[in-house]
Amino acid sequence: QVQLVESGGGVVQPGGSRRLSCAASGFSISDYGMHWVRQAPGRGLEWVAFIGFDGIYKFYGDSVRGRFTISRDTSKNTVYLQMNSLREEDTAVYYCTNLDSRIGTYSDYWGQGTLVTVSS
Amino acid sequence: EIVLTQTPVSLSVTPGQPASISCKSSQSLLHSDGQTYLYWYLQKAGQPPQLQIYEVFNRFSGVPDRFRGSGSGTDFTLTISRVEPEDVGIYYCMQSIHVPRTFGPGTKLEIK
Repeated sequence: QVQLVESGGGVVQPGGSRRLSCAASGFSISDYGMHWVRQAPGRGLEWVAFIGFDGIYKFYGDSVRGRFTISRDTSKNTVYLQMNSLREEDTAVYYCTNLDSRIGTYSDYWGQGTLVTVSS
Repeated sequence: EIVLTQTPVSLSVTPGQPASISCKSSQSLLHSDGQTYLYWYLQKAGQPPQLQIYEVFNRFSGVPDRFRGSGSGTDFTLTISRVEPEDVGIYYCMQSIHVPRTFGPGTKLEIK
């Protein structure tokens, strides 16, 4: 059974840091590129970051580039999002997902999300 | 960055009636490999999004055949032939031809 479980959310002060984790089971993150997508309260979906299946290619959205870093630990089958210099506008539910990454046919894996609140 | 616009912002539909959502892209989503990378997601209340349609017109596994995707280039449409109560939620289009991936602003479907 495929599962993605995000953790690490919480309340953090502006300028602070937080690391999110996404533990995968039922499939190997080495087979898929993995994404972080966020959703501010009452707002739409915003793509945040991507790490390729080989762990080499990494891409970021304009609003987080230079502040956020995506990484992974294949031995733990876990993807991470290190968030630094947090701003109030980073407040959102952060989802881990394979999004459009696929092996042949499409799969649709999403976690339930973890809420990050940036507030003083 | 590719900008996706969706219309309408919301729609209220009687069960059994059709519904249609438009998604327009600021650039063509036709890739040199011949595929068009436009997707439709449905997000139900309190849940993560779920894939409905991939590459314009392909229904994802388990999606009822009342859902149909169409379009090409920069103009796309999601049509539900007969809306059911379980179809309520917010529909997002998404493109994956370019980084950054971008989503449309969403269309909220409600039942009358």
